[in-house]
Amino acid sequence: QKEVEQDPGPLSVPEGAIVSLNCTYSNSAFQYFMWYRQYSRKGPELLMYTYSSGNKEDGRFTAQVDKSSKYISLFIRDSQPSDSATYLCAMSDNTGNQFYFGTGTSLTVIP
Amino acid sequence: ETGVTQSPTHLIKTRGQQVTLRCSSQSGHNTVSWYQQALGQGPQFIFQYYREEENGRGNFPPRFSGLQFPNYSSELNVNALELDDSALYLCASSLGSGGVDIQYFGAGTRLSVL
Repeated sequence: QKEVEQDPGPLSVPEGAIVSLNCTYSNSAFQYFMWYRQYSRKGPELLMYTYSSGNKEDGRFTAQVDKSSKYISLFIRDSQPSDSATYLCAMSDNTGNQFYFGTGTSLTVIP
Repeated sequence: ETGVTQSPTHLIKTRGQQVTLRCSSQSGHNTVSWYQQALGQGPQFIFQYYREEENGRGNFPPRFSGLQFPNYSSELNVNALELDDSALYLCASSLGSGGVDIQYFGAGTRLSVL
């Protein structure tokens, strides 16, 4: 079993839709949770960074962490064609020297 | 842009050869991590360097080795290349505060092994 599981999609939505992206994990030592966005042929770009359980909002993006269920989510409101990319969840324990990534979910927002 | 630069952007090698990939970290960062991203997969941790010392290693064989220099730039060396080494190699730099720092990624080096 992989430490981090992520549905690879692909996910296709109309412009303006609410998008929900999810990851599950097995390691209860994970305390730090990140979402990265990766455009084709580019490196991952950090979107959200959260510690422990709870919600964090930044503009159209909301990250949720439920440590009791070992489940994290990223919500994108009012999705735009420019949001079309692969979204990677990542997590770390307290050492921080290794990030564990999901496989990524490919998202296409159709104008 | 993250300020993390990697070179070269693309590389083609044949099986059995050796390759060196380079990374310049963001200004003020003393920690560099290397990841391998196969097509359709998430990045897999290779190793991390903190102030020129290896500070953690993932499940990669010893033919994957690295260096970090006094200016905190870094190299990834891969010996005896195999076909499965074909991937995007990503370098990430971070502050090295002693806590869990955000890792900022470069655009990667795409390696093809024929």
